[in-house]
Amino acid sequence: DGGITQSPKYLFRKEGQNVTLSCEQNLNHDAMYWYRQDPGQGLRLIYYSQIVNDFQKGDIAEGYSVSREKKESFPLTVTSAQKNPTAFYLCASSNRATNEKLFFGSGTQLSVL
Amino acid sequence: AQKVTQAQTEISVVEKEDVTLDCVYETRDTTYYLFWYKQPPSGELVFLIRRNSFDEQNEISGRYSWNFQKSTSSFNFTITASQVVDSAVYFCALSVGGSQGNLIFGKGTKLSVKP
Repeated sequence: DGGITQSPKYLFRKEGQNVTLSCEQNLNHDAMYWYRQDPGQGLRLIYYSQIVNDFQKGDIAEGYSVSREKKESFPLTVTSAQKNPTAFYLCASSNRATNEKLFFGSGTQLSVL
Repeated sequence: AQKVTQAQTEISVVEKEDVTLDCVYETRDTTYYLFWYKQPPSGELVFLIRRNSFDEQNEISGRYSWNFQKSTSSFNFTITASQVVDSAVYFCALSVGGSQGNLIFGKGTKLSVKP
């Protein structure tokens, strides 16, 4: 079945530690996105990528980094510079980057130990 | 600046009741797109509908219907004869024409449908 796979479902980070969230899609979509969701809040864009080896900062990119070495994969690293990393992280993809509907993964809940 | 407001934080209804979720948007662009997504307890957002700014026709899909009114900048979502499976958080979102995939989301409305 085509879709987006995020792993792990739950992740714990220690102080000063970098952690990486995985996102893989087999929908052959060009564009991929990372969103952050805080309780009672909407989704905020962290980074997005329209093609391989290219990505753009979203509204809240500070403390995060991404790579897009393969079309299918768009991992997100939460660095130690992100002082408030506890949130629900959602990965998404779409056919094109402009106004298309998004397909979402099931998310990763990141918590700080 | 663009903005999406979902004033209803939580709504609770009894099964078979009709329920309307409100969405008000702000944009100065003439070309834009509006979306509704459903987020069940599993966490994954599911696309429900996309509407562009030039198409004000209301849409019905089974028990779901959408009322788009540019005059009031609203894109409301109605569930008819609600069911327990409709319990979820519903998000309204806005995308400005030509934007690079940056959806602006409202804060969501949590709908609880009780048996």
